[in-house]
Amino acid sequence: KAGVTQTPRYLIKTRGQQVTLSCSPISGHRSVSWYQQTPGQGLQFLFEYFSETQRNKGNFPGRFSGRQFSNSRSEMNVSTLELGDSALYLCASSLTGTALNEKLFFGSGTQLSVL
Amino acid sequence: AQSVTQLGSHVSVSEGALVLLRCNYSSSVPPYLFWYVQYPNQGLQLLLKYTSAATLVKGINGFEAEFKKSETSFHLTKPSAHMSDAAEYFCAVSEGRTGNQFYFGTGTSLTVIP
Repeated sequence: KAGVTQTPRYLIKTRGQQVTLSCSPISGHRSVSWYQQTPGQGLQFLFEYFSETQRNKGNFPGRFSGRQFSNSRSEMNVSTLELGDSALYLCASSLTGTALNEKLFFGSGTQLSVL
Repeated sequence: AQSVTQLGSHVSVSEGALVLLRCNYSSSVPPYLFWYVQYPNQGLQLLLKYTSAATLVKGINGFEAEFKKSETSFHLTKPSAHMSDAAEYFCAVSEGRTGNQFYFGTGTSLTVIP
């Protein structure tokens, strides 16, 4: 069974540009969540999608958005990039996302560098 | 909202020594607690989770954690450190009435000295 796949693995952008990251969850998993990981801040929750609907959202500006497709694949978009957006962006999938003790399966992440 | 505090962003232990990584949480309701590990250039993997079945939880690779409600703690331990344990460790709490929302600590980087 394939794991969570994130593409691309690395991205270099300049300030003001926009970027789209992709995440393919484990087959059969319907919940996809996104996290931003930076040194000193740890992992910060961005949002969670289930059945193409955003169910939960963290405290990030509106420049950060996402969507989920009918096959559960998800994309995250960041517009008007700022230097502070440089981070490792992790995607995680889980079966239903409704059980509080449900295990998350993480991808290897997309390392975004904003110059 | 939940919050998770990991004391010590960097911990160094000698090979064979006890590993103790600290995690405290704030919660007004019984929490679901997790420890995840991130090896270099890899995604996070679940080490263990507490879901109220037992206060002492055993995970993979010889790690275990004890839930102490009175101290709001969920410290991770391993009796004898191996070189392969060098990694970043994250404590997490989950909540969410309509879906999962995980709160992660800032992480503890474990170095094992030969």
